[in-house]
Amino acid sequence: QSVLTQPPSVSGAPGQRVTISCTGSSSNIGTGYDVHWYQQLPGTAPKLLIYANNNRPSGVPDRFSASKSGTSASLAITGLQAGDEANYYCQSYDTSLSGHVAFGGGTKLTVL
Amino acid sequence: QVQLEQSGAEVKKPGASVKVSCKASGYTFSNYGIYWVRQAPGQGLEWMGWISPYYGSTNYAQKFQGRITLTTDTSTNTAYMELRSLRSDDTAVYYCARDPKDFWSPYNWLDSWGQGTLVTVSS
Repeated sequence: QSVLTQPPSVSGAPGQRVTISCTGSSSNIGTGYDVHWYQQLPGTAPKLLIYANNNRPSGVPDRFSASKSGTSASLAITGLQAGDEANYYCQSYDTSLSGHVAFGGGTKLTVL
Repeated sequence: QVQLEQSGAEVKKPGASVKVSCKASGYTFSNYGIYWVRQAPGQGLEWMGWISPYYGSTNYAQKFQGRITLTTDTSTNTAYMELRSLRSDDTAVYYCARDPKDFWSPYNWLDSWGQGTLVTVSS
């Protein structure tokens, strides 16, 4: 059971916009720790998508954006493409359990 | 370009140990930390620990304390993760990933990942 809660699945048609939420608490996102996002295509290693709440690494299309507010964060994908079908994970830091790097449970994005 | 090349798949019996390697190239190994993360079949990502190749300092997830040892060899630009007293629920793909900083910070992220190493624990 992760301290960061994500919806198990979301879906959208090509060209549409979808959002994926990452809900935390006062021991992680609410404390001010940054949120990072990763994309894991089927059968591959995760890839950094967004770092420090809303920053895209070089090479990540601007169709991907993210925000953070209070104890939650969200990832938005616009102009949905078939190649976006993947699992998405948020990551932050949690001060419970002597402090640890925490990942959300992951969200499976299906492009209809 | 940054590359993290991990060792091949392993099959171990319960109670045994496994040591996974992660060879870095394309950047100055000592200037960046290394995370270790695992993913059980069909499950999400789980952080295991972190090491600074330059300082040798480590930070382990409480769950693995006493069972895990992270080391690095700066002469070969290689990081190692050893997990002992293996159980069936340790069956997972183990990833190394680069930290953009060489010091531990709760604000850091994982900016490049290895391809993963499948460790199967079975009698």
